[in-house]
Amino acid sequence: DVKVTQSSRYLVKRTGEKVFLECVQDMDHENMFWYRQDPGLGLRLIYFSYDVKMKEKGDIPEGYSVSREKKERFSLILESASTNQTSMYLCASSPDGRYGYTFGSGTRLTVV
Amino acid sequence: TQLLEQSPQFLSIQEGENLTVYCNSSSVFSSLQWYRQEPGEGPVLLVTVVTGGEVKKLKRLTFQFGDARKDSSLHITAAQPGDTGLYLCAGVRSGGGADGLTFGKGTHLIIQP
Repeated sequence: DVKVTQSSRYLVKRTGEKVFLECVQDMDHENMFWYRQDPGLGLRLIYFSYDVKMKEKGDIPEGYSVSREKKERFSLILESASTNQTSMYLCASSPDGRYGYTFGSGTRLTVV
Repeated sequence: TQLLEQSPQFLSIQEGENLTVYCNSSSVFSSLQWYRQEPGEGPVLLVTVVTGGEVKKLKRLTFQFGDARKDSSLHITAAQPGDTGLYLCAGVRSGGGADGLTFGKGTHLIIQP
């Protein structure tokens, strides 16, 4: 069964901390994505990557960065966590986005 | 920015009833996808529709893509409590999907026994 695995289901961090969210896929997909999901706002694209060491900004990249050193791993970094970054973070991968994404189970991050 | 409007936002009906969820945009999408999400989990792909006018069936779920490829609908026949969840439509952006999907805000569906 193909999988996208996010390292943590729940995280609580303090304001100002540097936070790493890890995502690994076992499907050899080229494309990987990070979204955040908030009530009333839906899913919003933070960053995406279509190849190793390549990254592109999505709709809301401010306050975030990403790293893709290996094809299977895509990391989201919160440089200095703030309370407005409290959210559900979803990682996804796709061989070709036209035919669907596989999502991880999500990381619910709380910044206090 | 391409936007997708879903309606209704919330829907609570009795088991056995039929329902339709709508996904509309002023923009043309090369394809539309429907996902279902349960609490605390990531969205799971249900179907992709690619051709204008296309209809796809998945057991009691029927998906339709508008002729102009600007809208889509999901119809559930004889809803069951297991259909409860958040239904999301998503459109493929101009980059062919490699640069991300545009999601609607979702329809929260509750099927009461």
